[in-house]
Amino acid sequence: DTEVTQTPKHLVMGMTNKKSLKCEQHMGHRAMYWYKQKAKKPPELMFVYSYEKLSINESVPSRFSPECPNSSLLNLHLHALQPEDSALYLCASSQVQGAPSNQPQHFGDGTRLSIL
Amino acid sequence: AQKITQTQPGMFVQEKEAVTLDCTYDTSDQSYGLFWYKQPSSGEMIFLIYQGSYDEQNATEGRYSLNFQKARKSANLVISASQLGDSAMYFCAMRGLYNFNKFYFGSGTKLNVKP
Repeated sequence: DTEVTQTPKHLVMGMTNKKSLKCEQHMGHRAMYWYKQKAKKPPELMFVYSYEKLSINESVPSRFSPECPNSSLLNLHLHALQPEDSALYLCASSQVQGAPSNQPQHFGDGTRLSIL
Repeated sequence: AQKITQTQPGMFVQEKEAVTLDCTYDTSDQSYGLFWYKQPSSGEMIFLIYQGSYDEQNATEGRYSLNFQKARKSANLVISASQLGDSAMYFCAMRGLYNFNKFYFGSGTKLNVKP
């Protein structure tokens, strides 16, 4: 079992739907991440939150809207997605700068998203 | 800018043999960290091993070891005594000092362990 929990594990939605992906960690990490991963490709960074504030947005379309309500939770709100947005969405957490550099990112199991 | 290169899209290894997965990197940072992750077909990214740029000894974690050659900018993963459960995608990643929250991933190597 991972220490980063993502729900749901699978999601099928239409292009007009609104849904949210959720991520939770209780390791005391103050940096949280969303990645998008296509099959047989590396994860692509979407967003980074540091101390609950958005610190990196990798030019992600506005149909993806992140939210960090507290230090343990990270959401990704989805609206009007396109078929090419079908992918595995991974959440990760880590310690922030100032911590030892050997601290890895800890990943959840991901949400497999399919857009019809 | 940081860049990670994994030149082996796929590898085969016989069960119980050792295998080396290649990773080269490019960075202008003096201080950085190198990570290897395993991703089974289930999707989870599992952290395997870490090497710091100032570490003088190669990192080891059980059956995993990292062959770090700083002058050549390479950080190859060695898996000894391969097991069927080692079949997965393996990603090399780097974190710099000045953009601490950003990890750069290589394209990955798909390892298949044959019985």
